[in-house]
Amino acid sequence: EAGVTQFPSHSVIEKGQTVTLRCDPISGHDNLYWYRRVMGKEIKFLLHFVKESKQDESGMPNNRFLAERTGGTYSTLKVQPAELEDSGVYFCASSFSGRAYEQYFGPGTRLTVT
Amino acid sequence: GDSVTQMEGPVTLSEEACLTINCTYTATGYPSLFWYVQYPGEGLQLLLKATKADDKGSNKGFEATYRKETTSFHLEKGSVQVSDSAVYFCALRGGSYIPTFGRGTSLIVHP
Repeated sequence: EAGVTQFPSHSVIEKGQTVTLRCDPISGHDNLYWYRRVMGKEIKFLLHFVKESKQDESGMPNNRFLAERTGGTYSTLKVQPAELEDSGVYFCASSFSGRAYEQYFGPGTRLTVT
Repeated sequence: GDSVTQMEGPVTLSEEACLTINCTYTATGYPSLFWYVQYPGEGLQLLLKATKADDKGSNKGFEATYRKETTSFHLEKGSVQVSDSAVYFCALRGGSYIPTFGRGTSLIVHP
């Protein structure tokens, strides 16, 4: 069974550009989460989808970040325009409905904004 | 709010050396405690967990004991291998399903 996959694994963009990160959850997982680890700091929660609906987006840093999950399958996280402080590793996780305590994480996308 | 503090890395060891990565926490109530590991190029994986005071979690030769009196959950292994090289994250979960993570500790094991 495939795990959570994320694309790309690494992205380098210039300040002011736009980047879109993608996450494919484990098949059958209704819950999808985004987290971010800024270099050397804690992994922080960004938001949580249940199917295509945003259940909790309290961790989204500002309105330059837009997350979508059309059709309740894969999700995208767009950063527009990117700033230097957005650099970090973006993790996606998924879980079955009713089992939010068992989250399976992807390998992350390393975003570098120069 | 809840927080987790773990020792800064990198921790560099020779193969077969003993490992301890310190982790302390601040939380209200009685959280569950976890260690996650991220091997190069892979996702975060749950390594071990403990859900109440004095519980010991163990997996792959690693162990950690939930110490409520010292609010600690130190990760230990008696003899590390090169394949243990990874980043280790201590985490807690209180009433929410969202874990609170520490900053991660990189472990480098040399042959």
